[in-house]
Amino acid sequence: RKEVEQDPGPFNVPEGATVAFNCTYSNSASQSFFWYRQDCRKEPKLLMSVYSSGNEDGRFTAQLNRASQYISLLIRDSKLSDSATYLCVVTSTGNQFYFGTGTSLTVIP
Amino acid sequence: EPEVTQTPSHQVTQMGQEVILRCVPISNHLYFYWYRQILGQKVEFLVSFYNNEISEKSEIFDDQFSVERPDGSNFTLKIRSTKLEDSAMYFCASRVRGGTSVVQYFGPGTRLTVT
Repeated sequence: RKEVEQDPGPFNVPEGATVAFNCTYSNSASQSFFWYRQDCRKEPKLLMSVYSSGNEDGRFTAQLNRASQYISLLIRDSKLSDSATYLCVVTSTGNQFYFGTGTSLTVIP
Repeated sequence: EPEVTQTPSHQVTQMGQEVILRCVPISNHLYFYWYRQILGQKVEFLVSFYNNEISEKSEIFDDQFSVERPDGSNFTLKIRSTKLEDSAMYFCASRVRGGTSVVQYFGPGTRLTVT
């Protein structure tokens, strides 16, 4: 069973659209959750941590549902520069991190 | 803004050779990690390192691999007797110790090509 599962997409959306990505994790002991973005052949870069109460950073909103072991990312008013792969990352101890396969997003002019 | 650096950016080696990938973590960080990403696949955890010893390692991190922090700044990944399937991007990451944040910061990666 995969530790972290994501819909790989691809998601192709027009500029200005709202898009949502989902992620599920298998280890109920997981404590910390993140969304990273990865551009082609580049390193993962932190987009945002995900907190139990949900959190927002500008156009980005992350939600965590511990009971369902589910994490989401909502992007509003999509920009061309949002085109990337979005990685869901989970850890229980901070010593080993599990990555999803990533969800590919292309924002179309 | 401080960042994790990695050298070389691209390493080509012949099957059976040994390679050493180098990383300089952010200076006040105390936890260090290596990951690999085979082209088109997900980022996979290899090993974490704290206080000069391995904290955790994955099934991928077998006897072919070793890590070292030889001089207090560099953090290296050695791959012995490389195989074709070792071709991948190798990312180093680091994070601070303590508090509630376990956010990692990644280096730009080393692309390893085994021929």
